[in-house]
Amino acid sequence: RKEVEQDPGPFNVPEGATVAFNCTYSNSASQSFFWYRQDCRKEPKLLMSVYSSGNEDGRFTAQLNRASQYISLLIRDSKLSDSATYLCVVNRGNQFYFGTGTSLTVIP
Amino acid sequence: GAVVSQHPSWVICKSGTSVKIECRSLDFQATTMFWYRQFPKQSLMLMATSNEGSKATYEQGVEKDKFLINHASLTLSTLTVTSAHPEDSSFYICSAPRLAGGYEQFFGPGTRLTVL
Repeated sequence: RKEVEQDPGPFNVPEGATVAFNCTYSNSASQSFFWYRQDCRKEPKLLMSVYSSGNEDGRFTAQLNRASQYISLLIRDSKLSDSATYLCVVNRGNQFYFGTGTSLTVIP
Repeated sequence: GAVVSQHPSWVICKSGTSVKIECRSLDFQATTMFWYRQFPKQSLMLMATSNEGSKATYEQGVEKDKFLINHASLTLSTLTVTSAHPEDSSFYICSAPRLAGGYEQFFGPGTRLTVL
């Protein structure tokens, strides 16, 4: 079983919509969790870390469910500029495990 | 500013030549660095984990004799694509984790390799 599994999409949503991505991880000893954003032909950049209590940054909300071993990213009021690939990353010790990325296209 | 740099940012070479890509952590030490490859419209694929002072760990299906990794210092890892062929043309990205509270992964800007 893969360490991290993520629905590759693509997700095509209209502007203003709310969209959610999930990412599951297989090892309960995983320690830290992150969402990265990757634009076309660019390197991934950290969007937000994910904490047990959940965290919000503007239109973005990230949550961690340790019992079910998944993390989620919710984007409210989608903008055209949100179109990108969203990558979940899980850390355990000095190892990092990557999801395949979820492609999002926000349509005018 | 950037915390991980990569050089060169792009390279075009003839089939059969070898290409070396450098990945440097800026202002922090990284005993581990990661190398990825990404083909157009595909997801990032981990190739190998570079370990300072020891051999790299390669993912299944990645030829270690073709993709030579050397983690020469705590701030530098190099990936050499030996005898490159057109099918090796891709976007190569490195990353290094930095401890800041927990570990955060910082990615280099990537190297676009085109093999003619």
